[in-house]
Amino acid sequence: DSGVTQTPKHLITATGQRVTLRCSPRSGDLSVYWYQQSLDQGLQFLIQYYNGEERAKGNILERFSAQQFPDLHSELNLSSLELGDSALYFCASSYSGANVLTFGAGSRLTVL
Amino acid sequence: DQQVKQNSPSLSVQEGRISILNCDYTNSMFDYFLWYKKYPAEGPTFLISISSIKDKNEDGRFTVFLNKSAKHLSLHIVPSQPGDSAVYFCAASDQTGANNLFFGTGTRLTVIP
Repeated sequence: DSGVTQTPKHLITATGQRVTLRCSPRSGDLSVYWYQQSLDQGLQFLIQYYNGEERAKGNILERFSAQQFPDLHSELNLSSLELGDSALYFCASSYSGANVLTFGAGSRLTVL
Repeated sequence: DQQVKQNSPSLSVQEGRISILNCDYTNSMFDYFLWYKKYPAEGPTFLISISSIKDKNEDGRFTVFLNKSAKHLSLHIVPSQPGDSAVYFCAASDQTGANNLFFGTGTRLTVIP
């Protein structure tokens, strides 16, 4: 157990729908990162939050949004889902933008 | 555009032999490099890292080599063990302070007993 908790582990939904993925960072970590891993792709950085504030943005689609709450957990919202959004979504945390990230087990999203 | 590339999707090695996993990068601003290991149904876990001021870093059976002029790094595992069978991701970070990592597509290592 890495200490980073992601729910749900698996999610199957239909095109056009909206889902929310949740992440609880490791105790004491202030930064949360979201990554997407599509089939045969590396982990693509989506967005980073630090202590509730957005810190960095990667290749995140406008249909996607995220936030980090006062208790430091984070949610990634994916809307108007398309087949191509099917992927593993990883959350990672670190104490402060440190280079070594601790990853959760991921949420596997399947869009039918 | 993939800034970190792992051109070998898979590698099979006999137990006890050396495993060499390779990674190339294109961004000369990258200054810190990491290897992560991933088992099925788990998230990636940090394995070893190297700063651009070094050309080698060793941790037990794992050694990472960095060739800045060639923009190439490699991970050596000696001796390889069946428990090392996993997907290995190379990652790099740049100097912008954005603190995000750029990952390669991974190499699946199979160590044959």
